[in-house]
Order: sequence, then structure tokens, then C-alpha cells
Amino acid sequence: QLVLTQSPSASASLGASVKLTCTLSSGHSSYAIAWHQQQPEKGPRYLMKFNSDGSHSKGDGIPDRFSGSSSGAERYLTISSLQSEDEADYYCQTWGTGIHVVFGGGTKLTVL
Amino acid sequence: EVQLVESGGGLVQPGGSLRFSCAASGFTFSSYAMSWVRQAPGKGLEWVSTIIGSGGSTYYADSVRGRFTISRDNAKNMLYLQMSSLRAEDTAVYYCAKHIGGGYLFDYWGQGTLVTVSS
Repeated sequence: QLVLTQSPSASASLGASVKLTCTLSSGHSSYAIAWHQQQPEKGPRYLMKFNSDGSHSKGDGIPDRFSGSSSGAERYLTISSLQSEDEADYYCQTWGTGIHVVFGGGTKLTVL
Repeated sequence: EVQLVESGGGLVQPGGSLRFSCAASGFTFSSYAMSWVRQAPGKGLEWVSTIIGSGGSTYYADSVRGRFTISRDNAKNMLYLQMSSLRAEDTAVYYCAKHIGGGYLFDYWGQGTLVTVSS
């Protein structure tokens, strides 16, 4: 069964960097994912698509502070030079057979 | 500029029906799959349904199959979700989302419309 696992919470200081993790379930390590940001009381916003081969593409206007990487079944979102507006929920997304879209449970990022 | 604007949410009684819409602009609507995603209060994102660009194929989450119907009007650049036999657990903000070309990841989201199922 295709599952995406995310830590429920993360925190980092203003100006620092943070690395969020999304783990694909066993047998699905080659799947591409997307990262989405949801600021408080707002709709989600697409950040980037990340493929298992390391290729990726960002959404419109996404600053260079946001970057992606991967290792095996893990997909990472790194945010550098943290700003207060980066405090948000971050979701990873993928899809499986039969066009079954899957979201991770989300990581709530707190900027200290 | 891609824009997705939902409308038609509201309060509905358990067992009732509701239909809402998503108006799309800024891209060739018929060339992209579209989806509905919902978010219950204080919860994460839950995929609801997907329709391919031609409208010829549709897909549903188990939680809504048989009760919800996704459709689209490519001439009007509109996406719809018809919901029936509504339950309290269907209470959520519903978002429409545009798929990235050639895949089933999303690259644009609407602002959402709130559906409250309550007596």
C-alpha cells in the first residue's frame, strides 16, 4: 500500500535552515512527489515536484531558499534562511495505480 | 496567470446534496486533469476525486465513491463536484487543484470553499 510518512512537527530558528522528510512506503521508492505549503488560514501552494532521479521543477515564484533532494525512499525539502512566513504546514503528495492520489500527514513547521 | 476559483459551498443537512464549482482560467483547461481535495477542520489534506482532461475517466476515494460525482465542462472551463448522501464527516474545505501536465501531481490550487454538514 502506497503511504507517505511525515514527521508531525519540526522547528528551527529564524535565519537557520530546516530539512523536512517525506518517506515513501516499501516498494515505492522510485515515485515522484510534490511538496506543498499551507500557511495558516490559507489554501495550499505548490512548491516543487521532485523525481527519484533528482530532477525537479519549482512552482511559479518559489524562492531559491526552497530546495529538494532524495535518498532512497526519502524525499527532502530544505528551507534555508528561514523567514517568519515559512511557518506553515508542509505536505508531500504522490499518486499510485488507478490514479489514487496520496498525501502525507503533513509537517507543521514552527519558526522560532 | 492560472486561477482556480471555487464557489457554491455552504450549510447542508445530513443526507442532503450540494453541487459546487471551480472556474479555471489562465491555461488550456481541457489539456489537464483536475482534482478535488478536502481538508476537515484541523486535519490534513485528503484527496477526493480526479477527472482526466477529456472528462472520459474519473476516479474517487473510497470514502466518497458512489456518493460524489466529478464532472467538467471544457467549453466553459468549469469543474464540478456533485455531492449527495452527505454525512457529518464530509464537513471540510474543498479545494480544486490543477494537475501538472502528463502526471497526477498538482501545481495549482484554488482558495477553497467550505462545506458544513449539520442539522
